[in-house]
Amino acid sequence: GENVEQHPSTLSVQEGDSAVIKCTYSDSASNYFPWYKQELGKGPQLIIDIRSNVGEKKDQRIAVTLNKTAKHFSLHITETQPEDSAVYFCAASSTGNQFYFGTGTSLTVIP
Amino acid sequence: DTEVTQTPKHLVMGMTNKKSLKCEQHMGHRAMYWYKQKAKKPPELMFVYSYEKLSINESVPSRFSPECPNSSLLNLHLHALQPEDSALYLCASSQVWGPGSYEQYFGPGTRLTVT
Repeated sequence: GENVEQHPSTLSVQEGDSAVIKCTYSDSASNYFPWYKQELGKGPQLIIDIRSNVGEKKDQRIAVTLNKTAKHFSLHITETQPEDSAVYFCAASSTGNQFYFGTGTSLTVIP
Repeated sequence: DTEVTQTPKHLVMGMTNKKSLKCEQHMGHRAMYWYKQKAKKPPELMFVYSYEKLSINESVPSRFSPECPNSSLLNLHLHALQPEDSALYLCASSQVWGPGSYEQYFGPGTRLTVT
């Protein structure tokens, strides 16, 4: 089955700096890669996703890049703000709709 | 609107109790999911319903019993739980289940404590 690794497990950045979270996957058939943000006491919120026919996608301060050859994808957050502090999960999905989640990154933005 | 609602928000139950968790979505989605999430861990898939039929059961103990009364509602019936079942139970939905790549939208979860 699919195996998704996520790094780093914790990340602290100064407000206004950029944050990058990286994930690798093992199944070359995976074709959908969502990113979720989970704030304390809440459910995961879909913030951006990318499909395997696209190399990069951007939504305001958030961007995701995908390298199918290397089997890795990354989340980039620019101009970080304290409200970006949360746990971020990557996931990969292949032929079905079953998601394989990474282990999560706890992001802290220091004001 | 991408809202999935769950009730109750918090639930404390004894090991001999019977309780139910409820989930609702009005996005017209035909796939609904139950996940279990322990602290500082990613969500773990428990069940998938597709067109109101159980499609996936990830070897979940029988003390968890899912039910999909209609395309908008999903229940999880709980009976004779163990303290290790304490967790955040998340409901999610997507347009359909099956080949393809469909966004899954999560509810806020029910925080369950088994005493």
